[in-house]
Amino acid sequence: AQTVTQSQPEMSVQEAETVTLSCTYDTSESDYYLFWYKQPPSRQMILVIRQEAYKQQNATENRFSVNFQKAAKSFSLKISDSQLGDAAMYFCAYRASNDYKLSFGAGTTVTVRA
Amino acid sequence: ETGVTQTPRHLVMGMTNKKSLKCEQHLGHNAMYWYKQSAKKPLELMFVYNFKEQTENNSVPSRFSPECPNSSHLFLHLHTLQPEDSALYLCASSPLGPGYNEQFFGPGTRLTVL
Repeated sequence: AQTVTQSQPEMSVQEAETVTLSCTYDTSESDYYLFWYKQPPSRQMILVIRQEAYKQQNATENRFSVNFQKAAKSFSLKISDSQLGDAAMYFCAYRASNDYKLSFGAGTTVTVRA
Repeated sequence: ETGVTQTPRHLVMGMTNKKSLKCEQHLGHNAMYWYKQSAKKPLELMFVYNFKEQTENNSVPSRFSPECPNSSHLFLHLHTLQPEDSALYLCASSPLGPGYNEQFFGPGTRLTVL
């Protein structure tokens, strides 16, 4: 089974600053997908950004970007210009291309200071 | 709003009660999932249904009984639960086939077992 590790249980960032969340994963597959999900307090989990393993270019979605290091099996999320609405728990997730199941990390709680 | 709804949003039940959780998706997806989310732990996949057929049961105790009458609805029937079953239960759906096929999550049911 694949394992996804998020080593930072909590992160705090000043509004308008940048924060980076780490994620590492273990797999023997060569083709797979990686995701970052955001779960605001008492609200639905939503997809923030996604990356396909065979694409070398790092994905970006507005203020969210990833640093995908395939050899190191690392998939970090950078939140730029942090806003109060970014406060949430963030989950890193992995899915092999020939599977439909996701493996999740334990999550990182992000607090944004005004 | 992700197109996946869950009811009830909160449920308190005694260990001898029988209750059911409901999930509905209006996205035309063919796969549906039940997850258990406990504090500071990765999401635990419980059950997976593809085209109404159960394809995954991750060693879930029999006191949890899923039902998928069609591709749009998913139930989780609960009976004689234990206090350690208290958690947030999330439903998700996804398309099947090639591509990212990210999962869309419902808001969850917060379950408390007394």
